[in-house]
Amino acid sequence: DTEVTQTPKHLVMGMTNKKSLKCEQHMGHRAMYWYKQKAKKPPELMFVYSYEKLSINESVPSRFSPECPNSSLLNLHLHALQPEDSALYLCASSQEAGQGNSPLHFGNGTRLTVT
Amino acid sequence: GENVEQHPSTLSVQEGDSAVIKCTYSDSASNYFPWYKQELGKGPQLIIDIRSNVGEKKDQRIAVTLNKTAKHFSLHITETQPEDSAVYFCAALYSNYQLIWGAGTKLIIKP
Repeated sequence: DTEVTQTPKHLVMGMTNKKSLKCEQHMGHRAMYWYKQKAKKPPELMFVYSYEKLSINESVPSRFSPECPNSSLLNLHLHALQPEDSALYLCASSQEAGQGNSPLHFGNGTRLTVT
Repeated sequence: GENVEQHPSTLSVQEGDSAVIKCTYSDSASNYFPWYKQELGKGPQLIIDIRSNVGEKKDQRIAVTLNKTAKHFSLHITETQPEDSAVYFCAALYSNYQLIWGAGTKLIIKP
């Protein structure tokens, strides 16, 4: 079992809905990440939080809004999404920010379908 | 820009045989090269990584080799088993946070 827990596992939402994805880790890691993965593609970095502060935003549209309430939790708020946003959304954590300093631990993702 | 090429895209091997997946990268400043395994319905899991001051690293049936001069690194899996079936991704670190990923290799182990 993964040490990074993501909920829900599956989510179907309409283009006018507002929903949130949740991620939790209890490894004491200080960096947390959101990735988007389309079918048969590698993960694409969206956001990086380091010590609960947003440090990297990879030019992600504002309909995706991340939040880090504390060092163990990471949320991704979704609003007015498009069908092309349908993908697997992966949360990851590492001991420190900087993916070369410590390896990434991924959750099993939320499979999002936008109708 | 920065790029990581991964080959082959699909690899089918007989159970018990070895599998080799190769990646090349473009930025000579890269110094960290992880390999991730992604099983169906799961997130990627780190299986082995190597830093540029090391040429080879082994962990049981899995090994990674790095040739910095040629800018390529390879994953070797020996005595393959059905549970090795998955998609494997290589990656190279280009900055403090930016991992550039290969396109992935689907490994199929035939019984």
